Amino acid sequence: EAQVTQNPRYLITVTGKKLTVTCSQNMNHEYMSWYRQDPGLGLRQIYYSMNVEVTDKGDVPEGYKVSRKEKRNFPLILESPSPNQTSLYFCASSLQQGPYEKLFFGSGTQLSVL
Amino acid sequence: ILNVEQSPQSLHVQEGDSTNFTCSFPSSNFYALHWYRWETAKSPEALFVMTLNGDEKKKGRISATLNTKEGYSYLYIKGSQPEDSATYLCAFLYNFNKFYFGSGTKLNVKP
Repeated sequence: EAQVTQNPRYLITVTGKKLTVTCSQNMNHEYMSWYRQDPGLGLRQIYYSMNVEVTDKGDVPEGYKVSRKEKRNFPLILESPSPNQTSLYFCASSLQQGPYEKLFFGSGTQLSVL
Repeated sequence: ILNVEQSPQSLHVQEGDSTNFTCSFPSSNFYALHWYRWETAKSPEALFVMTLNGDEKKKGRISATLNTKEGYSYLYIKGSQPEDSATYLCAFLYNFNKFYFGSGTKLNVKP
């Protein structure tokens, strides 16, 4: 089944404890991206990747890191999480970068930083 | 940061009513406008990808129009059903690789 798999679904952690949210897609998609969803705001893009070893900042990259060593995986790393990073996170992928390709979303990760 | 606005924020309709929502976006540097449907506890799913001024797309009872010159798109639902209850998101693609999402219109259809 074609899908974007995110793990974990729920995560509670404490300030400063490094964490990684994994994202994997099995559709051979080139474009992958991370978003956060906060109440009253739209999904905001954190980072995106156009292909292996090619990543760039979205609108809210501060406090986050990403890597794209393999085409299928695009992990989101929080080196030193803070309470303002408590949010619902989505990973998404599409076949290519470009206007014609719809995004396929993962199931989301609800992160709470205490 | 670009401003993408959706209205209304929420909508309550009766089963069988037809309804529509608006997405407003900048009219410059337009590449595409996406519509997504997001049900509670699920992931957003694509409804339409629209790229040309005057585009009209249809999927069952749901349709969308696009006006890139004035910077708006309408989503229409004809004969709303309870299973249409969801949040509808629009996303503006800027500079070929950055997506800006509206905050969504939450639709509740009462049986």
